[in-house]
Amino acid sequence: AQTVTQSQPEMSVQEAETVTLSCTYDTSESDYYLFWYKQPPSRQMILVIRQEAYKQQNATENRFSVNFQKAAKSFSLKISDSQLGDAAMYFCAYRDHLTQGGSEKLVFGKGTKLTVNP
Amino acid sequence: DTGVSQDPRHKITKRGQNVTFRCDPISEHNRLYWYRQTLGQGPEFLTYFQNEAQLEKSRLLSDRFSAERPKGSFSTLEIQRTEQGDSAMYLCASSELGRPSSSYNEQFFGPGTRLTVL
Repeated sequence: AQTVTQSQPEMSVQEAETVTLSCTYDTSESDYYLFWYKQPPSRQMILVIRQEAYKQQNATENRFSVNFQKAAKSFSLKISDSQLGDAAMYFCAYRDHLTQGGSEKLVFGKGTKLTVNP
Repeated sequence: DTGVSQDPRHKITKRGQNVTFRCDPISEHNRLYWYRQTLGQGPEFLTYFQNEAQLEKSRLLSDRFSAERPKGSFSTLEIQRTEQGDSAMYLCASSELGRPSSSYNEQFFGPGTRLTVL
Protein backbone atom coordinates (compact mmCIF):
# COMPACT_ATOMS: atom_id res chain seq x y z
CA ALA A 1 0.00 0.00 0.00
CA GLN A 2 1.11 3.52 -0.71
CA THR A 3 2.15 5.67 2.23
CA VAL A 4 2.99 9.35 2.61
CA THR A 5 5.13 10.69 5.44
CA GLN A 6 5.51 14.29 6.55
CA SER A 7 8.12 14.44 9.27
CA GLN A 8 7.64 18.10 10.22
CA PRO A 9 4.49 18.55 12.33
CA GLU A 10 5.10 22.31 12.51
CA MET A 11 7.20 24.87 10.70
CA SER A 12 7.49 28.62 10.96
CA VAL A 13 8.82 31.26 8.62
CA GLN A 14 9.23 35.03 8.64
CA GLU A 15 7.14 36.97 6.20
CA ALA A 16 8.94 37.40 2.86
CA GLU A 17 11.34 34.54 3.63
CA THR A 18 11.49 31.08 2.03
CA VAL A 19 10.45 27.83 3.67
CA THR A 20 10.64 24.21 2.55
CA LEU A 21 8.21 21.52 3.67
CA SER A 22 9.32 17.91 3.40
CA CYS A 23 7.45 14.84 2.20
CA THR A 24 8.48 11.28 1.47
CA TYR A 25 6.32 8.55 0.05
CA ASP A 26 6.41 4.88 -0.70
CA THR A 27 4.96 3.14 -3.72
CA SER A 28 5.81 0.27 -6.01
CA GLU A 29 4.27 2.05 -8.99
CA SER A 30 6.38 3.77 -11.63
CA ASP A 31 3.80 6.35 -12.59
CA TYR A 32 1.66 8.39 -10.24
CA TYR A 33 0.74 11.90 -9.16
CA LEU A 34 1.93 13.85 -6.16
CA PHE A 35 0.19 16.88 -4.70
CA TRP A 36 0.47 19.55 -2.08
CA TYR A 37 -2.81 20.70 -0.59
CA LYS A 38 -3.37 23.71 1.68
CA GLN A 39 -5.99 23.70 4.42
CA PRO A 40 -6.40 27.14 6.05
CA PRO A 41 -7.99 27.24 9.51
CA SER A 42 -11.70 26.48 9.27
CA ARG A 43 -11.60 26.62 5.50
CA GLN A 44 -11.67 24.02 2.80
CA MET A 45 -8.72 22.26 1.33
CA ILE A 46 -7.35 23.61 -1.93
CA LEU A 47 -4.78 22.25 -4.33
CA VAL A 48 -1.50 24.15 -4.34
CA ILE A 49 0.57 22.22 -6.84
CA ARG A 50 0.81 18.82 -8.51
CA GLN A 51 3.58 16.77 -10.05
CA GLU A 52 3.31 13.90 -12.50
CA ALA A 53 5.91 11.27 -11.75
CA TYR A 54 6.86 10.70 -15.38
CA LYS A 55 7.81 14.36 -15.78
CA GLN A 56 11.34 15.12 -14.72
CA GLN A 57 10.79 18.85 -14.60
CA ASN A 58 9.78 20.15 -11.19
CA ALA A 59 6.37 21.82 -11.08
CA THR A 60 6.09 25.53 -10.31
CA GLU A 61 3.07 27.68 -9.52
CA ASN A 62 3.97 31.28 -8.84
CA ARG A 63 5.68 31.36 -5.41
CA PHE A 64 5.28 27.61 -4.93
CA SER A 65 7.67 25.06 -6.37
CA VAL A 66 8.54 21.46 -5.70
CA ASN A 67 11.71 19.43 -5.58
CA PHE A 68 10.75 15.99 -6.87
CA GLN A 69 13.37 13.30 -6.37
CA LYS A 70 11.82 10.13 -7.78
CA ALA A 71 14.61 7.74 -6.87
CA ALA A 72 14.63 9.00 -3.29
CA LYS A 73 10.80 9.13 -3.22
CA SER A 74 10.99 12.66 -1.94
CA PHE A 75 8.65 15.54 -2.78
CA SER A 76 9.31 18.80 -0.98
CA LEU A 77 7.42 22.08 -1.31
CA LYS A 78 9.21 25.41 -1.38
CA ILE A 79 7.30 28.57 -0.63
CA SER A 80 9.12 31.73 -1.64
CA ASP A 81 8.37 35.25 -0.40
CA SER A 82 6.08 33.86 2.30
CA GLN A 83 2.92 35.81 3.00
CA LEU A 84 0.64 35.89 6.03
CA GLY A 85 -2.04 34.21 3.95
CA ASP A 86 0.20 31.18 3.49
CA ALA A 87 -0.37 30.19 7.10
CA ALA A 88 -2.21 26.86 7.03
CA MET A 89 -1.90 23.11 7.29
CA TYR A 90 -0.12 21.69 4.28
CA PHE A 91 -0.74 18.11 3.22
CA CYS A 92 1.32 16.07 0.83
CA ALA A 93 -0.75 13.53 -1.12
CA TYR A 94 -0.28 10.68 -3.58
CA ARG A 95 -2.54 9.23 -6.24
CA ASP A 96 -2.11 6.34 -8.64
CA HIS A 97 -1.91 7.03 -12.34
CA LEU A 98 -4.93 5.31 -13.75
CA THR A 99 -3.33 4.03 -16.95
CA GLN A 100 -1.78 1.40 -14.70
CA GLY A 101 -5.07 0.58 -13.05
CA GLY A 102 -5.01 1.59 -9.45
CA SER A 103 -7.19 3.78 -7.34
CA GLU A 104 -8.68 7.26 -7.63
CA LYS A 105 -8.19 7.83 -3.93
CA LEU A 106 -5.79 10.37 -2.53
CA VAL A 107 -3.40 9.14 0.16
CA PHE A 108 -2.43 11.96 2.50
CA GLY A 109 0.37 12.57 4.96
CA LYS A 110 -0.34 13.84 8.45
CA GLY A 111 0.33 17.42 7.50
CA THR A 112 2.65 20.27 8.46
CA LYS A 113 1.31 23.31 10.22
CA LEU A 114 2.93 26.41 8.77
CA THR A 115 3.04 29.62 10.78
CA VAL A 116 4.05 32.86 9.08
CA ASN A 117 5.45 35.48 11.43
CA PRO A 118 5.10 39.17 10.53
CA ASP B 1 -21.99 27.14 -8.85
CA THR B 2 -19.65 28.08 -6.04
CA GLY B 3 -18.14 24.71 -5.25
CA VAL B 4 -18.75 21.58 -3.21
CA SER B 5 -21.21 22.11 -0.37
CA GLN B 6 -21.80 19.97 2.70
CA ASP B 7 -24.60 19.96 5.21
CA PRO B 8 -24.61 20.24 8.14
CA ARG B 9 -21.32 21.95 8.91
CA HIS B 10 -21.40 20.75 12.49
CA LYS B 11 -23.21 17.87 14.14
CA ILE B 12 -23.22 16.92 17.81
CA THR B 13 -24.83 13.64 18.69
CA LYS B 14 -24.97 11.15 21.50
CA ARG B 15 -23.32 7.79 21.27
CA GLY B 16 -25.62 5.23 19.70
CA GLN B 17 -27.56 7.70 17.56
CA ASN B 18 -27.65 7.63 13.77
CA VAL B 19 -26.44 10.60 11.74
CA THR B 20 -26.62 11.47 8.07
CA PHE B 21 -24.50 13.96 6.15
CA ARG B 22 -25.14 15.38 2.72
CA CYS B 23 -22.71 16.44 0.01
CA ASP B 24 -23.59 18.41 -3.12
CA PRO B 25 -20.79 18.23 -5.68
CA ILE B 26 -19.90 20.78 -8.30
CA SER B 27 -22.43 20.60 -11.13
CA GLU B 28 -21.54 18.08 -13.80
CA HIS B 29 -18.85 16.47 -11.69
CA ASN B 30 -19.57 12.80 -11.99
CA ARG B 31 -17.07 11.59 -9.41
CA LEU B 32 -17.67 12.09 -5.71
CA TYR B 33 -15.40 11.12 -2.83
CA TRP B 34 -15.73 10.86 0.94
CA TYR B 35 -12.80 11.24 3.32
CA ARG B 36 -12.52 11.31 7.10
CA GLN B 37 -10.07 13.55 8.94
CA THR B 38 -9.41 13.06 12.62
CA LEU B 39 -7.64 15.62 14.75
CA GLY B 40 -3.98 15.94 13.88
CA GLN B 41 -4.20 13.60 10.91
CA GLY B 42 -4.50 13.92 7.18
CA PRO B 43 -7.71 12.94 5.44
CA GLU B 44 -8.30 9.21 4.97
CA PHE B 45 -10.24 7.86 2.02
CA LEU B 46 -13.59 6.24 2.74
CA THR B 47 -15.34 5.68 -0.60
CA TYR B 48 -16.00 7.11 -4.02
CA PHE B 49 -18.70 7.12 -6.67
CA GLN B 50 -18.75 7.53 -10.38
CA ASN B 51 -22.26 8.74 -11.09
CA GLU B 52 -24.46 6.51 -8.93
CA ALA B 53 -22.06 3.57 -8.83
CA GLN B 54 -19.96 3.10 -5.71
CA LEU B 55 -16.63 2.01 -7.19
CA GLU B 56 -14.37 1.70 -4.19
CA LYS B 57 -14.75 1.35 -0.43
CA SER B 58 -12.05 1.56 2.19
CA ARG B 59 -11.76 -0.97 4.98
CA LEU B 60 -12.35 2.04 7.23
CA LEU B 61 -15.95 1.98 6.05
CA SER B 62 -17.36 -0.44 8.59
CA ASP B 63 -20.81 -1.98 8.45
CA ARG B 64 -22.13 0.97 10.41
CA PHE B 65 -21.27 3.32 7.56
CA SER B 66 -23.24 3.54 4.34
CA ALA B 67 -22.92 5.97 1.47
CA GLU B 68 -25.29 6.52 -1.40
CA ARG B 69 -25.54 8.64 -4.48
CA PRO B 70 -28.95 7.64 -5.81
CA LYS B 71 -29.25 9.88 -8.84
CA GLY B 72 -25.63 10.56 -9.50
CA SER B 73 -25.86 14.06 -8.07
CA PHE B 74 -25.76 14.62 -4.30
CA SER B 75 -24.51 11.96 -1.91
CA THR B 76 -25.33 11.00 1.65
CA LEU B 77 -23.13 9.37 4.25
CA GLU B 78 -24.92 7.68 7.12
CA ILE B 79 -23.34 6.45 10.32
CA GLN B 80 -25.45 4.12 12.42
CA ARG B 81 -24.98 3.57 16.16
CA THR B 82 -22.33 6.26 16.40
CA GLU B 83 -19.31 5.72 18.62
CA GLN B 84 -16.96 8.26 20.15
CA GLY B 85 -14.29 7.12 17.73
CA ASP B 86 -16.44 8.38 14.87
CA SER B 87 -15.79 11.96 15.96
CA ALA B 88 -14.00 13.56 13.03
CA MET B 89 -14.32 15.93 10.09
CA TYR B 90 -16.03 14.26 7.16
CA LEU B 91 -14.88 15.72 3.87
CA CYS B 92 -16.50 15.41 0.50
CA ALA B 93 -14.77 16.08 -2.81
CA SER B 94 -15.83 15.95 -6.43
CA SER B 95 -14.09 15.79 -9.77
CA GLU B 96 -14.80 15.57 -13.45
CA LEU B 97 -14.16 12.46 -15.41
CA GLY B 98 -10.83 13.10 -17.07
CA ARG B 99 -10.39 12.92 -20.83
CA PRO B 100 -9.16 10.28 -21.39
CA SER B 101 -10.69 8.70 -18.32
CA SER B 102 -7.33 7.71 -16.96
CA SER B 103 -5.97 11.22 -16.92
CA TYR B 104 -5.61 13.55 -14.00
CA ASN B 105 -8.81 15.04 -12.60
CA GLU B 106 -8.51 17.48 -9.72
CA GLN B 107 -10.54 16.74 -6.63
CA PHE B 108 -12.29 19.83 -5.27
CA PHE B 109 -13.07 19.64 -1.57
CA GLY B 110 -16.03 20.88 0.40
CA PRO B 111 -15.82 22.59 3.81
CA GLY B 112 -16.53 19.37 5.68
CA THR B 113 -18.98 18.26 8.36
CA ARG B 114 -17.51 18.16 11.85
CA LEU B 115 -19.06 15.35 13.87
CA THR B 116 -18.79 15.22 17.64
CA VAL B 117 -20.05 12.10 19.39
CA LEU B 118 -20.63 12.56 23.12
